[in-house]
Amino acid sequence: AQKVTQAQTEISVVEKEDVTLDCVYETRDTTYYLFWYKQPPSGELVFLIRRNSFDEQNEISGRYSWNFQKSTSSFNFTITASQVVDSAVYFCAPRGTASKLTFGTGTRLQVTL
Amino acid sequence: DAGVTQSPTHLIKTRGQQVTLRCSPKSGHDTVSWYQQALGQGPQFIFQYYEEEERQRGNFPDRFSGHQFPNYSSELNVNALLLGDSALYLCASSPSGRAHYTQYFGPGTRLTVL
Repeated sequence: AQKVTQAQTEISVVEKEDVTLDCVYETRDTTYYLFWYKQPPSGELVFLIRRNSFDEQNEISGRYSWNFQKSTSSFNFTITASQVVDSAVYFCAPRGTASKLTFGTGTRLQVTL
Repeated sequence: DAGVTQSPTHLIKTRGQQVTLRCSPKSGHDTVSWYQQALGQGPQFIFQYYEEEERQRGNFPDRFSGHQFPNYSSELNVNALLLGDSALYLCASSPSGRAHYTQYFGPGTRLTVL
């Protein structure tokens, strides 16, 4: 079984600030996968990134970057130079050998002008 | 390339009624998963269908049932609706039900039970 903790319930930043969303996961699976999804006010979950447990390379995609630290069971997400369009709820979701995604309560990000 | 589609968008029912929600997966995907998202919470896994069979199930009562058709589309049925069933129901599709494949979500159906 998987468990995820996103300790930050809500974060408010001013546009162009950098912001990091924290994710700590628990799993008993030796092979697992980690996902980040974004849920804008429209409600649809938008896939952002997938990470395999055996690949600890950090990744950068445009203004987004992810820091995977297996030793601390963390998979943090940073938005550089935030924009108003980044306002959404962000979910980190681990997935083990079973097919289901396990979601926490998410982090609501509010970016203002 | 069409993404995951769901219908209807919104639905209002009364307690005790039955409801059917529909999902068409992304082109090339044969596995459909259903999630329930209560207000202010993260999505909770209901079940997954692959090859027209329920492959995995979350902690939901038997009032929640589903079906997958030969064209991979799926239905979620909820009987004897309770007020607590009010939620956003999300459908996700992926190829071949493997754990490392990404699940892509539809826009959801918002169910209100009065």
